[in-house]
Amino acid sequence: NAGVTQTPKFRVLKTGQSMTLLCAQDMNHEYMYWYRQDPGMGLRLIHYSVGEGTTAKGEVPDGYNVSRLKKQNFLLGLESAAPSQTSVYFCASSYVIGAGRNTGELFFGEGSRLTVL
Amino acid sequence: GESVGLHLPTLSVQEGDNSIINCAYSNSASDYFIWYKQESGKGPQFIIDIRSNMDKRQGQRVTVLLNKTVKHLSLQIAATQPGDSAVYFCAENREGSGGGNKLTFGTGTQLKVEL
Repeated sequence: NAGVTQTPKFRVLKTGQSMTLLCAQDMNHEYMYWYRQDPGMGLRLIHYSVGEGTTAKGEVPDGYNVSRLKKQNFLLGLESAAPSQTSVYFCASSYVIGAGRNTGELFFGEGSRLTVL
Repeated sequence: GESVGLHLPTLSVQEGDNSIINCAYSNSASDYFIWYKQESGKGPQFIIDIRSNMDKRQGQRVTVLLNKTVKHLSLQIAATQPGDSAVYFCAENREGSGGGNKLTFGTGTQLKVEL
């Protein structure tokens, strides 16, 4: 199994350009997440999804949009990139333990490094 | 506001020694904590978790201790090895509305293992 796969791994954009980061997981997980990681700030949740066709805002959602048309894919879009969005983006997925119980065990991809000039 | 933070940004230990990485949290209602390891150029990897109804939990060479009175948790790594060199994050889990996990990560501690 590949686990969580992110594409592209590196991208350079100019201010105002748009792009989409793709995340794919082959573990049949219900939940998927997009985080950004900046130096000295840990990881911050951008958006997440609890199932196909559903999305929700995280801690820092502004400037980003997401879609989960298929259970295995979670797309992160930047409509008009800004230098403040220069970061490393991580996708993650997790499974459901049972009714009323979640696990904090997230499976992360290798990251996508985005630079906005 | 609520926060999850770490006491030290860098910890250096000798190979074979035990390592202790500390984490403080501010939300007394927090009831579920997780430790992650992130090697250079890779995504975070789950190590161990603990819920508030426990004070201690052990895994393979790792132990997590939770002190709810002072809102502190620690990760102990026994017989530290060069492969343990990484950044370690503690995270607080809050379930999202309708499910999912909204993890709040600390800023991380860089563990350096000296040979």
